[in-house]
Amino acid sequence: GNSVTQMEGPVTLSEEAFLTINCTYTATGYPSLFWYVQYPGEGLQLLLKATKADDKGSNKGFEATYRKETTSFHLEKGSVQVSDSAVYFCALSPLGSQGNLIFGKGTKLSVKP
Amino acid sequence: KAGVTQTPRYLIKTRGQQVTLSCSPISGHRSVSWYQQTPGQGLQFLFEYFSETQRNKGNFPGRFSGRQFSNSRSEMNVSTLELGDSALYLCASSLRTSGNTDTQYFGPGTRLTVL
Repeated sequence: GNSVTQMEGPVTLSEEAFLTINCTYTATGYPSLFWYVQYPGEGLQLLLKATKADDKGSNKGFEATYRKETTSFHLEKGSVQVSDSAVYFCALSPLGSQGNLIFGKGTKLSVKP
Repeated sequence: KAGVTQTPRYLIKTRGQQVTLSCSPISGHRSVSWYQQTPGQGLQFLFEYFSETQRNKGNFPGRFSGRQFSNSRSEMNVSTLELGDSALYLCASSLRTSGNTDTQYFGPGTRLTVL
């Protein structure tokens, strides 16, 4: 079946530190991959996406590359800010199945000044 | 362009009651998906509606149902509420034009508490 595995949180970093949140997936064929972010009391916001192997999604300094060979989509940012504190979700949209996102458990990030 | 709106934002019900939640998608979006978010189970897909028809369904009991209207607005209904139905219910809309590459845009959610 289809599934997403994210690194367990919470993750606590100091401002300007480097961030990596690991995400691996299991799926048939070529799913599309997404990172969403959820701030306290809010819904999910799309952070970035990649729809085919070797695609790199990027937004607001965050990046993730679709690696078919390792079935991974790790999220990275070179220098985090306090305002990046949130919960990050990795998700996949299976091939042949629209409107159905499969999410990882989420990783809570706290950035300290 | 206005985002996805959900009403009400907060709801308190008692066991055995039923509840209806509403979702208005982004203008022009014809697909609406519903998700349940709980601390224990995370984000789980409930169902998706497109052109007033349910196209996909997650693994939830029949107490959970939904519908979509001709203007793409959607409602979900939960009957005979149980304590375990307490959750944040999220609605997402998309254009549904490009297969599994479509982006889903989420509303702020409805926080349902069952007492």
